[in-house]
Formats: sequence, C-alpha cells, structure tokens
Amino acid sequence: EDQVTQSPEALRLQEGESSSLNCSYTVSGLRGLFWYRQDPGKGPEFLFTLYSAGEEKEKERLKATLTKKESFLHITAPKPEDSATYLCAVQAGGNKLVFGAGTILRVKS
Amino acid sequence: KAGVTQTPRYLIKTRGQQVTLSCSPISGHRSVSWYQQTPGQGLQFLFEYFSETQRNKGNFPGRFSGRQFSNSRSEMNVSTLELGDSALYLCASSTGQGEGEQFFGPGTRLTVL
Repeated sequence: EDQVTQSPEALRLQEGESSSLNCSYTVSGLRGLFWYRQDPGKGPEFLFTLYSAGEEKEKERLKATLTKKESFLHITAPKPEDSATYLCAVQAGGNKLVFGAGTILRVKS
Repeated sequence: KAGVTQTPRYLIKTRGQQVTLSCSPISGHRSVSWYQQTPGQGLQFLFEYFSETQRNKGNFPGRFSGRQFSNSRSEMNVSTLELGDSALYLCASSTGQGEGEQFFGPGTRLTVL
C-alpha cells in the first residue's frame, strides 16, 4: 500500500533560521512527488513536482529534492509569511495522490 | 488563466440530507479529482473523473458519488449525510494525461449537524 510520512509534525523557526522538512514514501511505481502549501481554510497551493531521484527544484526561499525513498523541502532564511502547512503527496496509479499528514511551520519574527 | 472554482464555499446540512458540490476546472483541463480533508484523516482521495468517465475511485462508501459534464465541470453528491461527513471537500484539476501538476480549488466546507 502506498504510504507517505512527513516529519516533523510541527516546526517553529525564528525568522532567518533555515531548516528542512522531510517526506518519506513507499510506493509501487512513483510517477511524481508533489509539494503543496496550505493556509488555514484554503485549498492546497501547488509548489513543486519531482519525477526522478536526484531532481531538484527551487522557488524563492524553497528548494525541493528527491531521492529513491524520500524528499526534502529546504527553507532558507524563512520569513513569517512562510508560515503554513506543507503537504507532500505521491502519484502512483492514475491521477490519485496519496498525501502525508503535513508539517505545520510557524516562523516568528 | 482562471483557477479552479468550487461552489458553494460553505454548507450547513443536517443528518440524513443530501448535498451536491460543484467544481469548475482550469480551462483546458479534462481531469477532476475530489478529496476529503478532515483533521483526523488528512486529505483522502474520493474519485477522479476524466472525459465524463470515472477513472479512479478511493475507499469511500457508495453514498459518495460524482459525475462530470462535457465541459469538464464536475459535481459530487453525498446522500444520507452523517456527522462524520463534516469536512473540507477539495477538487483538483489537471490535464489528466500522464504525469503532471494538479491544482486545487479553495474547497467547500461542509458542516453536518
């Protein structure tokens, strides 16, 4: 059964304090790994898709990387507006996404 | 380019009633997937429609159903509502062909009393 585990569950950072979120997965035939950001009461906002081990993508202060068993979302010098829940999902068969429980990030100024 | 739209944004129903939610995908996208999000279970896949056909289905009871129209707009219906159906219902839009990004709408918040 396809499974996604995210850690930590919650993370508190000071503004400017870089860190990483982890997403480990087991899936038969990975077709894509997705990162989303979700603010309270809103739908998930697409950040990145990674398709193969070794791939990296960057957007502003965020960088996503992928290995054969896990993905990392690196946050460099975060700002309070980066506070959100970050969701990781894998696409295996068809268009179905299997999500992890998410990491709640709080950045204090 | 307009994003994914969902209506209504909020709904309050009582147990035993039924409800219909609507989703309009991004123009040109032919796949619409529905997800249920609750604090306890997180985001769970309900089903996917592509070109008016259900292509994939999650592990939800038959009370949850959906359909897709020729313009790719999709509706999902929940019959005989239960308290546990209270959730944020999200739809995701994609081209539906091979791998690719899926974009979510703002969701419909359903409260069952």
